[in-house]
Amino acid sequence: GEDVEQSLFLSVREGDSSVINCTYTDSSSTYLYWYKQEPGAGLQLLTYIFSNMDMKQDQRLTVLLNKKDKHLSLRIADTQTGDSAIYFCAEKGFKTGANNLFFGTGTRLTVIP
Amino acid sequence: DAGVIQSPRHEVTEMGQEVTLRCKPISGHNSLFWYRQTMMRGLELLIYFNNNVPIDDSGMPEDRFSAKMPNASFSTLKIQPSEPRDSAVYFCASSLRGGGETQYFGPGTRLLVL
Repeated sequence: GEDVEQSLFLSVREGDSSVINCTYTDSSSTYLYWYKQEPGAGLQLLTYIFSNMDMKQDQRLTVLLNKKDKHLSLRIADTQTGDSAIYFCAEKGFKTGANNLFFGTGTRLTVIP
Repeated sequence: DAGVIQSPRHEVTEMGQEVTLRCKPISGHNSLFWYRQTMMRGLELLIYFNNNVPIDDSGMPEDRFSAKMPNASFSTLKIQPSEPRDSAVYFCASSLRGGGETQYFGPGTRLLVL
């Protein structure tokens, strides 16, 4: 079955770059997503990438996809204290009739002032 | 658009009581998902619906859990009887099937069963 893995914790200093990594097993993944969850809130879509792309940039966010290694990363430039949150990687496979996502465990990002 | 709406936002109940969680998806979305989030198990998909029809309920933990979607704008998740181990945050999400499947999450219902 599908498996999405992330490291649980990451700490960075304010102003530095953060890189959150994710690996997945489903080679038929069509879309890969990054969600952000702030304390006491629901998951908020940050960005997504289609599987035929290898990079997507959106302001301070850069998503890199290595489809061969099934590795996805999210880079946050100039990390701010407001970026402290849990970041979830998710993927959608190509299983016929299924449109659910598979989420990783989430990486808790702590930004140190 | 108001986004996905869930109610109540918080629920405290006693073991054995019936709990009903409610969700209104984003208008026009045709898929709806119920998730449970706990510290121990992270985010778990319980069930999802396409066009009001349950597609995959393999994540529903026990017969005590049931979900319905009587129409395109409303869904319920019911726990009867509730147990302390059901304490969690329950999220509802909706998406437009065939449109990239991006899911939009509600704010969640924080359930505490005493």
